[in-house]
Amino acid sequence: NAGVTQTPKFQVLKTGQSMTLQCAQDMNHNSMYWYRQDPGMGLRLIYYSASEGTTDKGEVPNGYNVSRLNKREFSLRLESAAPSQTSVYFCASSDRGPTDTQYFGPGTRLTVL
Amino acid sequence: RKEVEQDPGPFNVPEGATVAFNCTYSNSASQSFFWYRQDCRKEPKLLMSVYSSGNEDGRFTAQLNRASQYISLLIRDSKLSDSATYLCVVLSNDMRFGAGTRLTVKP
Repeated sequence: NAGVTQTPKFQVLKTGQSMTLQCAQDMNHNSMYWYRQDPGMGLRLIYYSASEGTTDKGEVPNGYNVSRLNKREFSLRLESAAPSQTSVYFCASSDRGPTDTQYFGPGTRLTVL
Repeated sequence: RKEVEQDPGPFNVPEGATVAFNCTYSNSASQSFFWYRQDCRKEPKLLMSVYSSGNEDGRFTAQLNRASQYISLLIRDSKLSDSATYLCVVLSNDMRFGAGTRLTVKP
């Protein structure tokens, strides 16, 4: 039982490049989330998916797209990376929604040059 | 003004000390409250939920004051292993995290 896994762990991009961050959970949770964490800012919600087939914008969705591929997997795509997207990205999941305990993946450290 | 604000610290305390953190929130319609713990360069993990009547889990006590719109976390008999950043989390329309309070417990 791995919990929440994320790939890659580290990534360096040049401005304008695209990439997809992958997230998978094996806890059969319904809800999944993508956050970014910046120094002094706390975690900020980018997108969430309340259940398979649905996605909604969070606090900072601009510059990102998401796909809830199936119940297990929730990916985050940067179409044209910008230096302002340099951050640590965390994926999380919970069983019934945000009032349930959220379980986080280990994070992806992304640097955009 | 940020929706959720915490004193960033750092709080440096000796083993065995009692330490308390506060967290204020701006949305009076907020529904649920949590404390998460985050170790250096690791993911956040739930420490405890915060209930209206206050709740305790071993050495940890969480309180909610809706009138003044803050939550608190009290840690008694601090251990070296309590050294971490403590994140306040408030659920309104979505989850809002505070920037965290860093605690270092020294021998």
